[in-house]
Amino acid sequence: GDSVTQMEGPVTLSEEAFLTINCTYTATGYPSLFWYVQYPGEGLQLLLKATKADDKGSNKGFEATYRKETTSFHLEKGSVQVSDSAVYFCALKPGSARQLTFGSGTQLTVLP
Amino acid sequence: GAVVSQHPSWVICKSGTSVKIECRSLDFQATTMFWYRQFPKQSLMLMATSNEGSKATYEQGVEKDKFLINHASLTLSTLTVTSAHPEDSSFYICSARVEDQETQYFGPGTRLLVL
Repeated sequence: GDSVTQMEGPVTLSEEAFLTINCTYTATGYPSLFWYVQYPGEGLQLLLKATKADDKGSNKGFEATYRKETTSFHLEKGSVQVSDSAVYFCALKPGSARQLTFGSGTQLTVLP
Repeated sequence: GAVVSQHPSWVICKSGTSVKIECRSLDFQATTMFWYRQFPKQSLMLMATSNEGSKATYEQGVEKDKFLINHASLTLSTLTVTSAHPEDSSFYICSARVEDQETQYFGPGTRLLVL
């Protein structure tokens, strides 16, 4: 079945450091890929998405590129801020399905 | 746009009582809503897919008589945890899908504590 594998956390970085959170997936067909962010005590917010191979999703300085050849959708940010501290979830949605399949989440803490 | 609300945001109840959680799409119509459960430091587990005007589709292992879902209108779905027990304590999150769009919009979640 479909699945998403994220790098395990927690990840702790200093402010202005470079961030990479790895995400790989297994799916039939050509799924859409998403990154969601969850701030403490809140629900999930869509951060960015990509719907086909080689698409790059970007938002708030974060970006991720849909790599079909490596079945990956790694999240990157060049310079993190304390306010980026949250849990980040990678997710996929197969073309015909309505529901999302989530990865396990990666806790990011950015220190001042 | 695309705002989803949940009510209440948190609830504490006694064991054996029932708790109703509402999920509303505020500025769009959602024919499909999803209910998730999240345990501390874990990912979201899809519990059921709520379809407007029809019965909900439950994921394997989720008791439909325990978690009653009603999606009576295009903007409201409710989850009722019946005869709640301490092991039902969790963070419940709903999401709503705009028709013909892939993106799901999530509510802020409801934290349930059963004593």
